[in-house]
Amino acid sequence: AQTVTQSQPEMSVQEAETVTLSCTYDTSESDYYLFWYKQPPSRQMILVIRQEAYKQQNATENRFSVNFQKAAKSFSLKISDSQLGDAAMYFCAFLATQGGSEKLVFGKGTKLTVNP
Amino acid sequence: AAGVIQSPRHLIKEKRETATLKCYPIPRHDTVYWYQQGPGQDPQFLISFYEKMQSDKGSIPDRFSAQQFSDYHSELNMSSLELGDSALYFCASSPHIGSGTDTQYFGPGTRLTVL
Repeated sequence: AQTVTQSQPEMSVQEAETVTLSCTYDTSESDYYLFWYKQPPSRQMILVIRQEAYKQQNATENRFSVNFQKAAKSFSLKISDSQLGDAAMYFCAFLATQGGSEKLVFGKGTKLTVNP
Repeated sequence: AAGVIQSPRHLIKEKRETATLKCYPIPRHDTVYWYQQGPGQDPQFLISFYEKMQSDKGSIPDRFSAQQFSDYHSELNMSSLELGDSALYFCASSPHIGSGTDTQYFGPGTRLTVL
């Protein structure tokens, strides 16, 4: 079974600064996706970024980028030029692409506070 | 772009009552997933459907059942409600790519309160 660990229950950053959220995972699968989802106070689950395990290039979406280290099973999220609207709970999630299981496995989340 | 639609958005029920939650996936998405998120918790997978057949099952109580209809919308039926069923229930949808799955997009959730 897959597990996802987010070791930082809470993080804070100053507006316009950069912050990195950590995520590690454990799996025996060779093909999978990794995601970061954002859950603001509205509690909507919003996709931030996606990484396919077979791609060596790290995914980037505007101010959001990941550092994917497959051998180390590490998948961190970097937020550049932090904005007040980035304040939210961030969940790291794993999805096996084959093998029948289609469920997302989430970490416990990291609560990000952005200070003005 | 069209998103996943869930109804109702809020639901208040008494213990031992029944609730039905509905989910309308993004157009052309053939796979639907249900997750339960308790207060301060991460979402937990309940069940999924692909082409109207159950495709995976998680920690879903026997009191809960679900199905996917011919138009791909899905309903989660919850009976004999307990206080512990109070949670945010998410539906997500994705397209099926070949024999594998793809990115799941979440609806706004249904907040169920059991009194």
